[in-house]
Amino acid sequence: DTAVSQTPKYLVTQMGNDKSIKCEQNLGHDTMYWYKQDSKKFLKIMFSYNNKELIINETVPNRFSPKSPDKAHLNLHINSLELGDSAVYFCASRTDQETQYFGPGTRLLVL
Amino acid sequence: RKEVEQDPGPFNVPEGATVAFNCTYSNSASQSFFWYRQDCRKEPKLLMSVYSSGNEDGRFTAQLNRASQYISLLIRDSKLSDSATYLCVLWGYNKLIFGAGTRLAVHP
Repeated sequence: DTAVSQTPKYLVTQMGNDKSIKCEQNLGHDTMYWYKQDSKKFLKIMFSYNNKELIINETVPNRFSPKSPDKAHLNLHINSLELGDSAVYFCASRTDQETQYFGPGTRLLVL
Repeated sequence: RKEVEQDPGPFNVPEGATVAFNCTYSNSASQSFFWYRQDCRKEPKLLMSVYSSGNEDGRFTAQLNRASQYISLLIRDSKLSDSATYLCVLWGYNKLIFGAGTRLAVHP
């Protein structure tokens, strides 16, 4: 009965590789987000999608490409991974209220 | 200047203590305010919304002062299980904006 799920939970990879993180929500929400939480624990929005349409792109490098095949899924593909991409990536969703429900996070380590 | 500023702590308090966290924000157009809680290696979870009139949920009381652009969270009778990072969050421009969080450690 998980509300927002993400896979994988942990991701360790080499610099220069391409990787994807998947997110699914079963709450029927229209809006989904990707956040990045860096080593200083600062949580910052990256992207927002509403009904498969991109709403917010917070000047994230174009190596990061979100894709929303339907409103229950928002995946994040990262090309040419860099050391600075190491962080925890959280997916979240919300309905028309401002409360957001977060997934458990994906811990990415780039070596 | 950061959009949301919080004292990072940590606040180390004994069980039963009362502890208060403060937060200031820079954007006067911010529409809604929240406190989220994040446990170690877990996702953030909504603790409570913050209303101008002040609101209480059990041992937790939140206050908002729009004129001073200031938000507070008071925790009474601290429990060991309150140990976490408390994130001051505001809603504006169709997105949540998070403070860096204040760490609370409650000890026996």
